[in-house]
Amino acid sequence: QVQLVQSGAEVRKPGASVKVSCKASGYTFTYYYIHWVRQAPGQGLEWMGWINPNSGDTNYSQKFQGRVAMTRDTSISAAYMDLSRLTSDDTALYYCARGYSSGYSDYWGQGTLVTVSS
Amino acid sequence: DIQMTQSPSSLSASVGDRVTITCRASQSISSYLNWYQQKPGKAPKLLIYLASSLQSGVPSRFSGSGSGTDFTLTINSLQPEDFATYYCQQTYGIPLPITFGQGTRLEIK
Repeated sequence: QVQLVQSGAEVRKPGASVKVSCKASGYTFTYYYIHWVRQAPGQGLEWMGWINPNSGDTNYSQKFQGRVAMTRDTSISAAYMDLSRLTSDDTALYYCARGYSSGYSDYWGQGTLVTVSS
Repeated sequence: DIQMTQSPSSLSASVGDRVTITCRASQSISSYLNWYQQKPGKAPKLLIYLASSLQSGVPSRFSGSGSGTDFTLTINSLQPEDFATYYCQQTYGIPLPITFGQGTRLEIK
């Protein structure tokens, strides 16, 4: 069965970086996009960007341009989201999700809580 | 970016009711509109994709309609497990940005 398993919770100080991993199984990793979506406590969903695991092409929300990097390792079917220059506003649950070329996501990871606090 | 506005922001209903949630786009998005359900502490779940296609495994009481700028999610005969928050998502014009609506919280009356 399709599964996306994310890395565990992280705590960072303001100004630091965090890297979240998303390991896929149960399907051909390079056939589907990986989207990253975050959700601040008590707030709605915010799309951050996607990576095409086949080509490595990425597309980032302008809000995160220059601060986010999405990468993949096809040898282990894993995707990564690296977010730098963290502030308290980046405290959120970060999800990876399998996506189709038309943009919708049918399988989601369990979420990774990133807490930014001094 | 394309803005998505959901209404209402919250809704109270009873088991067995029929409810409708609407989503309006700030410009035409053809049929590139998806609906997700999210329960507390859980990841979102895809219900409807491309405006009206029911995701596999989703009960047929959920349906979606619309095109252009105006879309609706309808839930017939509400069940206890349907009380959750619902989000619309537009995916028009990729690689243009994807955006979500602000969510509609469906509560038990």
